Amino acid sequence: KAGVTQTPRYLIKTRGQQVTLSCSPISGHRSVSWYQQTPGQGLQFLFEYFSETQRNKGNFPGRFSGRQFSNSRSEMNVSTLELGDSALYLCASSLAYIGGGSPLYTFGSGTRLTVV
Amino acid sequence: TQLLEQSPQFLSIQEGENLTVYCNSSSVFSSLQWYRQEPGEGPVLLVTVVTGGEVKKLKRLTFQFGDARKDSSLHITAAQPGDTGLYLCALNTDKLIFGTGTRLQVFP
Repeated sequence: KAGVTQTPRYLIKTRGQQVTLSCSPISGHRSVSWYQQTPGQGLQFLFEYFSETQRNKGNFPGRFSGRQFSNSRSEMNVSTLELGDSALYLCASSLAYIGGGSPLYTFGSGTRLTVV
Repeated sequence: TQLLEQSPQFLSIQEGENLTVYCNSSSVFSSLQWYRQEPGEGPVLLVTVVTGGEVKKLKRLTFQFGDARKDSSLHITAAQPGDTGLYLCALNTDKLIFGTGTRLQVFP
């Protein structure tokens, strides 16, 4: 059973550019969550999608957005990149949306974004 | 928002030593999860503790949930280089809220 796949693994962008990251969940998982990990702030929740709808959102500026497709694959987009956006971006998939109980999350290996 | 403080922040030990890392909050948890994240990978769930006073064992790892459900600990016996990684506690609510992490390095 394939795990959670994130592409690309590494990315270097220039300030002001935008970037799109992709996450393919485990087959059958309909929920995808995104997290940002930095040395200073640790792991922080960005947003969660379930059945193509954003169900929950963390405390990040509107430059961070996402979407989910009918096959449950998800993308997140960061516009007008800032140096502080350099981080490891992780996605996690799960079977059920939290409203139906606490799901178990499986994480991908992440996309390492460097903004120069 | 509950804040999960982990200690120590860094731990560097020799193979064969024992160690304990802690996860504390000023609020009561309904349950708590422990994850391990190896370099270049995402976090992997180790265990979920639910009941105050609960103790769970996973090979050389022992997890304990405090009686008041405001703290948890992870004890590793006879640490091995393969235990190297970032250990994170987390609350699983409508999202995962992670602790500050303990970075463990085990030298051969």
